[in-house]
Amino acid sequence: AQSVTQLGSHVSVSEGALVLLRCNYSSSVPPYLFWYVQYPNQGLQLLLKYTSAATLVKGINGFEAEFKKSETSFHLTKPSAHMSDAAEYFCALTGGNFNKFYFGSGTKLNVKP
Amino acid sequence: EAQVTQNPRYLITVTGKKLTVTCSQNMNHEYMSWYRQDPGLGLRQIYYSMNVEVTDKGDVPEGYKVSRKEKRNFPLILESPSPNQTSLYFCASRGLAGIGGETQYFGPGTRLLVL
Repeated sequence: AQSVTQLGSHVSVSEGALVLLRCNYSSSVPPYLFWYVQYPNQGLQLLLKYTSAATLVKGINGFEAEFKKSETSFHLTKPSAHMSDAAEYFCALTGGNFNKFYFGSGTKLNVKP
Repeated sequence: EAQVTQNPRYLITVTGKKLTVTCSQNMNHEYMSWYRQDPGLGLRQIYYSMNVEVTDKGDVPEGYKVSRKEKRNFPLILESPSPNQTSLYFCASRGLAGIGGETQYFGPGTRLLVL
């Protein structure tokens, strides 16, 4: 069985502060993991992905995530938040034949001036 | 420009009135998929298609139909919509997995309200 859990439906940080969005997964096959961002009234845009190569993955807009198999986690971080980072973030999982995708419930990031 | 398009973007309908949401991609992708997004639930997969005439159920297929007669198009059909199908719907496509094609590209979404 495969599933994704995002801890914290809302996260609020100050501009310039560290962003940490948590994602834990469960998978019976080697996972491929993704982080997507959704701005209001828009579709989903890929931030980064883990595909069994390097465990530390760098993405767009200064975001990165680290795959930790022992902790079944794939947390998203950014050293310094910007106002433009305010959005909803989704962690997603696939594997096996890559036909089924599983998404977390999302985390809304609020950035305070 | 590589993209996934959906139409309509907004739709208000009444219970029981059949509707179709179209999805088209111009990236020659084999795989296409439909999702619904509901607050607090994230995205849930409705149906997916591995290629023309090949479709399979996702996690929430009840009340929906799909067809894949052409590679570029993957319409979502609600034959008798009900209020619990009020949601935001996304279409997505991806290329061949295993050679960097695991990433899905999403359309802009269709917001459906069923009265």
